[in-house]
Amino acid sequence: SQTIHQWPATLVQPVGSPLSLECTVEGTSNPNLYWYRQAAGRGLQLLFYSVGIGQISSEVPQNLSASRPQDRQFILSSKKLLLSDSGFYLCASPSDSSYGYTFGSGTRLTVV
Amino acid sequence: SQQGEEDPQALSIQEGENATMNCSYKTSINNLQWYRQNSGRGLVHLILIRSNEREKHSGRLRVTLDTSKKSSSLLITASRAADTASYFCATDGGGNTPLVFGKGTRLSVIA
Repeated sequence: SQTIHQWPATLVQPVGSPLSLECTVEGTSNPNLYWYRQAAGRGLQLLFYSVGIGQISSEVPQNLSASRPQDRQFILSSKKLLLSDSGFYLCASPSDSSYGYTFGSGTRLTVV
Repeated sequence: SQQGEEDPQALSIQEGENATMNCSYKTSINNLQWYRQNSGRGLVHLILIRSNEREKHSGRLRVTLDTSKKSSSLLITASRAADTASYFCATDGGGNTPLVFGKGTRLSVIA
């Protein structure tokens, strides 16, 4: 069955520090991967999606970037974090079985 | 951009009652999906309804879709305390376009 791994689960970082969040996918034949961000008590905002290695589409111009170095790996990065980057970051991939998305367990980022 | 808008934003009911959540969207869709999120966790896919379907059932879940009004509803019957969570609708425009999620409804079921 499909599994999405995200780490770390929680992260507290100072303003101006770099960021690297990793997402790896197992057990799927679909190459599409997505990064969403959820602000406290809010819905999900699509940040980036990738249909294959090296292919990244950005939905929201901002302080973040994404990379797809391997088929099963999707990385979210920042060179200098802002307070507004705080939130709950979720990685997702289309499910082979339900036609919906499978989500990772998320990373809660607090920028202080 | 967010397309789905859930209503109400928050709902509190007693165990055993039915819970109804609504979702409105703006553009044409291939299908509409509902997800559940427990506090601090990832989302879990509940049910999908295609644009040519009007109603779908899965256990205690009933979803309706009215494409003329661009709206959907999720009904949870005989609610349980364990149903306490946030519920999101998401629209699929087809092809490789990513799902677009609404802001969600926070459901509290009181035992």
